[in-house]
Amino acid sequence: DQQVKQNSPSLSVQEGRISILNCDYTNSMFDYFLWYKKYPAEGPTFLISISSIKDKNEDGRFTVFLNKSAKHLSLHIVPSQPGDSAVYFCAASDGANNLFFGTGTRLTVIP
Amino acid sequence: DSGVTQTPKHLITATGQRVTLRCSPRSGDLSVYWYQQSLDQGLQFLIQYYNGEERAKGNILERFSAQQFPDLHSELNLSSLELGDSALYFCASSRDTGLQYGANVLTFGAGSRLTVL
Repeated sequence: DQQVKQNSPSLSVQEGRISILNCDYTNSMFDYFLWYKKYPAEGPTFLISISSIKDKNEDGRFTVFLNKSAKHLSLHIVPSQPGDSAVYFCAASDGANNLFFGTGTRLTVIP
Repeated sequence: DSGVTQTPKHLITATGQRVTLRCSPRSGDLSVYWYQQSLDQGLQFLIQYYNGEERAKGNILERFSAQQFPDLHSELNLSSLELGDSALYFCASSRDTGLQYGANVLTFGAGSRLTVL
C-alpha cells in the first residue's frame, strides 16, 4: 500500500513560470517530509525538507508547503529553469528509521 | 559525485541466478540503506544497517539478504532471481542512526540496474 502518493507522473512548464508538484500521504504519524530530485543515470539528491510543525519552508527558488489537515504537501519552483527538468520524489518519515517515497513526478521545463 | 559508490552500474543475468550488489558509503557515514525502484514504482525501502548491525527492515524478500562489513561497505545479495526482480537498486548512506532526529538526509549512489532475462 503506497503511503506517499504523487498522482501526476509528469508535468510540463514554460521556463520562467511556476512549477507546482503535489504529494499526498495517508499516515498521520509522518513527522518529516522531504523532496528529492533525480537526474537520469544519477541517484536522487536531497532538495528541501519540512517538519510537521511548520507549514512552509523556503530555500531560494524552492518552497515546500505542508497542509497537515489535508495530508498534502507541495513543492513550488519559481521561476522554473530548464535545469530543473528532472524527476522529483516526495518522501515522508515516520520517525522510526523509515523513509517512504512516492512514485515521482517528471518535470519538464520548456525553454 | 555524491560520495556513495555502487557497483556494478549494470548487470544482466538469468532467472534462478544469484548476484551481489556492492555499496561504499560516503566517508564518515555509518548507516547504509538499500532501496529498490521497479518500473513506475517509487523507491521501496529494503533494509538499513548501522555500523555493521541491521537496524530496520522493509519490504525485503527472503531471497534477498544484505550485510555491512567492518569497513562499512555493504553488499546486497539477490538469489533465485525472477523476472520481477529487474529494477534499479539504490544504496544510500547517512551519518545518524535513523530519521527520528529530523532531517536525516540520505545521500544516494547512482544505482545498480539489474536486468533478469
